[in-house]
Amino acid sequence: ETGVTQTPRHLVMGMTNKKSLKCEQHLGHNAMYWYKQSAKKPLELMFVYNFKEQTENNSVPSRFSPECPNSSHLFLHLHTLQPEDSALYLCASSQDRRETQYFGPGTRLLVL
Amino acid sequence: QKEVEQNSGPLSVPEGAIASLNCTYSDRVSQSFFWYRQYSGKSPELIMSIYSNGDKEDGRFTAQLNKASQYVSLLIRDSQPSDSATYLCAVLTMYSGGGADGLTFGKGTHLIIQP
Repeated sequence: ETGVTQTPRHLVMGMTNKKSLKCEQHLGHNAMYWYKQSAKKPLELMFVYNFKEQTENNSVPSRFSPECPNSSHLFLHLHTLQPEDSALYLCASSQDRRETQYFGPGTRLLVL
Repeated sequence: QKEVEQNSGPLSVPEGAIASLNCTYSDRVSQSFFWYRQYSGKSPELIMSIYSNGDKEDGRFTAQLNKASQYVSLLIRDSQPSDSATYLCAVLTMYSGGGADGLTFGKGTHLIIQP
């Protein structure tokens, strides 16, 4: 679990707030991912970054904005979220797109 | 749309018995397969990966892959109460251009090991 860290671990925000989730990997990997896990639904891939370049955006609403300043850090900027966005947000990393992904502990988000 | 199907359970198995978890996938070109374990409130942790047809064993865990049937399974021998968790099947598809799609996950099977 210490290979990929995420902060904060828990977040409560109102629909008009702006907040950011942070992910950092200490594994020397080149690919990083954001996933959303809602109750009763499978993990959903949101964004993929490979060598700091965004390679995938799975039709995620624009109120979610990713940022990857370097291959070790990944952010997810949140603004004007909806209650249905409440979920566990997971960051993962892998050596490259074809290799095993390792997950961080997640951020439990509640939107009021 | 790629799909990964798992029986959501709960699957209840007596302690010491073999737990058998199954997964089917829809995309024939999928090439890499993973089993993750997720405890309640925690993030997924990798249990096994498998890439070729047949069996792969690691301690009490055996992954089985049959690409012709588009089927992958996980066997847990000598089940322990600490094995009680949700088991996620994940499939990675790679394309000839060298790119790779993200992991597609099933909804997971909730496994309960009864002492």
